[in-house]
Amino acid sequence: DSGVTQTPKHLITATGQRVTLRCSPRSGDLSVYWYQQSLDQGLQFLIQYYNGEERAKGNILERFSAQQFPDLHSELNLSSLELGDSALYFCASSRTVNTEAFFGQGTRLTVV
Amino acid sequence: GESVGLHLPTLSVQEGDNSIINCAYSNSASDYFIWYKQESGKGPQFIIDIRSNMDKRQGQRVTVLLNKTVKHLSLQIAATQPGDSAVYFCAENRKGGGNKLTFGTGTQLKVEL
Repeated sequence: DSGVTQTPKHLITATGQRVTLRCSPRSGDLSVYWYQQSLDQGLQFLIQYYNGEERAKGNILERFSAQQFPDLHSELNLSSLELGDSALYFCASSRTVNTEAFFGQGTRLTVV
Repeated sequence: GESVGLHLPTLSVQEGDNSIINCAYSNSASDYFIWYKQESGKGPQFIIDIRSNMDKRQGQRVTVLLNKTVKHLSLQIAATQPGDSAVYFCAENRKGGGNKLTFGTGTQLKVEL
């Protein structure tokens, strides 16, 4: 158990809908990252937050947004969902930046 | 551009043998590297990391070697066990880039009994 908690574990939703994925980092970790893992793209970095502020951005679609709250948990919002958004979404956390990141078990999103 | 690539998509080894998983990176500004293990249905699990001011780091049964001259990283697993079967990813972090870890495509390690 990495100490990073993601909910829900599984999510099935229809195209056009909006979902929110939640992540609780390890105790004491200030930084949270979101990754998308699909079969044809591997692990793709989406976005990173550090102590509530956006720190780095990857190839995150405009339909996707995220935030980190004062209690350091983070949410990833996915809207206007498309079939191609079906993937595993992982959250990771680290103590600071440029240190080892520990991953949660992921949320498997299926868009039908 | 930024890319992290793995030489072999699948590696099969006999139980008890040593495994070597290789990774090439192209960004000379990368200064921090991590190896992750991912078992089916689970999140990537941290194995070992190394910074660019080192060329070797050892953990329990694992060793990471970094050759900055040729931009090459390897993970050595000693006495490979069935529980080591998984996909292994190398990831690089560019200096000053926050922690935007860029992952390679992964190598499937299969341990044969």
